[in-house]
Amino acid sequence: SAVISQKPSRDICQRGTSLTIQCQVDSQVTMMFWYRQQPGQSLTLIATANQGSEATYESGFVIDKFPISRPNLTFSTLTVSNMSPEDSSIYLCSVATLTGRNEQFFGPGTRLTVL
Amino acid sequence: AQSVTQPDIHITVSEGASLELRCNYSYGATPYLFWYVQSPGQGLQLLLKYFSGDTLVQGIKGFEAEFKRSQSSFNLRKPSVHWSDAAEYFCAVAPSNDYKLSFGAGTTVTVRA
Repeated sequence: SAVISQKPSRDICQRGTSLTIQCQVDSQVTMMFWYRQQPGQSLTLIATANQGSEATYESGFVIDKFPISRPNLTFSTLTVSNMSPEDSSIYLCSVATLTGRNEQFFGPGTRLTVL
Repeated sequence: AQSVTQPDIHITVSEGASLELRCNYSYGATPYLFWYVQSPGQGLQLLLKYFSGDTLVQGIKGFEAEFKRSQSSFNLRKPSVHWSDAAEYFCAVAPSNDYKLSFGAGTTVTVRA
């Protein structure tokens, strides 16, 4: 299985600011994803991070609010822009490989609190 | 669209007792099925998965799950729980031709001494 790290592990931010979350994998992977887990809720897929092209966003999520980069096969960033208290969540990245048969491995998550 | 239902929001079990967590899915074909565990303050760890074949699958930490096509269920079991099993458990499904995971709402397991 892949080893995934995320930075920062947690942060407290002010309303109206932006935060960029980094996701690093220890091996080249095909697919990278970003999820949001709101307090007491399950996980919701935000987008698929595509290498070298624009991310594919799920319904209800837009690029202006959650810009995503994926410059190579082992690294991705998610930015939460113009934050409000409703953005307080855990943000997780996950990865999958072509041989993994849809099996995804998750990073430890970034706990974001917006005041 | 696929959906996942975990009927039990919270389960309390005594240490050493057996545990069963329910999961039902709605999907046109047999999807790939997963159970993840999230310990407090941690990310998600894959417990086990079902793709095809033997309907009883073994996972890590002594967990097993049984796929029942007729009931569209994939229930998770452990014969004897340990205090360290206290966590949030998520059932998830993905189509066989897509990576997108859909998660259930989760079941919180509390283990009492």
